[in-house]
Amino acid sequence: AQKVTQAQTEISVVEKEDVTLDCVYETRDTTYYLFWYKQPPSGELVFLIRRNSFDEQNEISGRYSWNFQKSTSSFNFTITASQVVDSAVYFCALSDDYNTDKLIFGTGTRLQVFP
Amino acid sequence: NAGVTQTPKFRILKIGQSMTLQCTQDMNHNYMYWYRQDPGMGLKLIYYSVGAGITDKGEVPNGYNVSRSTTEDFPLRLELAAPSQTSVYFCASSYSDRYNEQFFGPGTRLTVL
Repeated sequence: AQKVTQAQTEISVVEKEDVTLDCVYETRDTTYYLFWYKQPPSGELVFLIRRNSFDEQNEISGRYSWNFQKSTSSFNFTITASQVVDSAVYFCALSDDYNTDKLIFGTGTRLQVFP
Repeated sequence: NAGVTQTPKFRILKIGQSMTLQCTQDMNHNYMYWYRQDPGMGLKLIYYSVGAGITDKGEVPNGYNVSRSTTEDFPLRLELAAPSQTSVYFCASSYSDRYNEQFFGPGTRLTVL
């Protein structure tokens, strides 16, 4: 069965610290996609990244980077030089259903960045 | 381009009342979804649709119904509201091009008393 685990319920850091949010997934499929979404205090869900199971290259977008390792079934998210605006709940999600694109979400990690 | 819109933003229901949560998207997406978000529990899929006239149950469908008569609209119906349905409800849509990201509406916060 599919599952996404975000073991870190809440993380607190001080501005400019680097922080890594962990995501571990389970699936029997060889083709799947992984996602990260951000939910700021305003409540909306903002798409951050999509990565397919055949592409293990790390991705960097500004202060954000993602490390995908199939060997450990992990898709971790690092924020470099965190800022107060990064405070949000971050969700990792898995899609392995080719016909429906259904997402399986983790329980989220609440990140608080203090000035 | 408004994206995914949901109404109402907030609602308080009494136990046993019924209501419909509205969801509309203007991106011509075939796929649409309803999720509920409970504190500390992530998002759980209630129902989804891969096109007009086609709907199917997700992980937590009990107590809900949906219909999809047009590509744009995907309303969620609560027939007999129960306190366990107190939650934030999100509607989402995506392109039917396999594994695309989902675009989410702003959510509806529902309280059942």
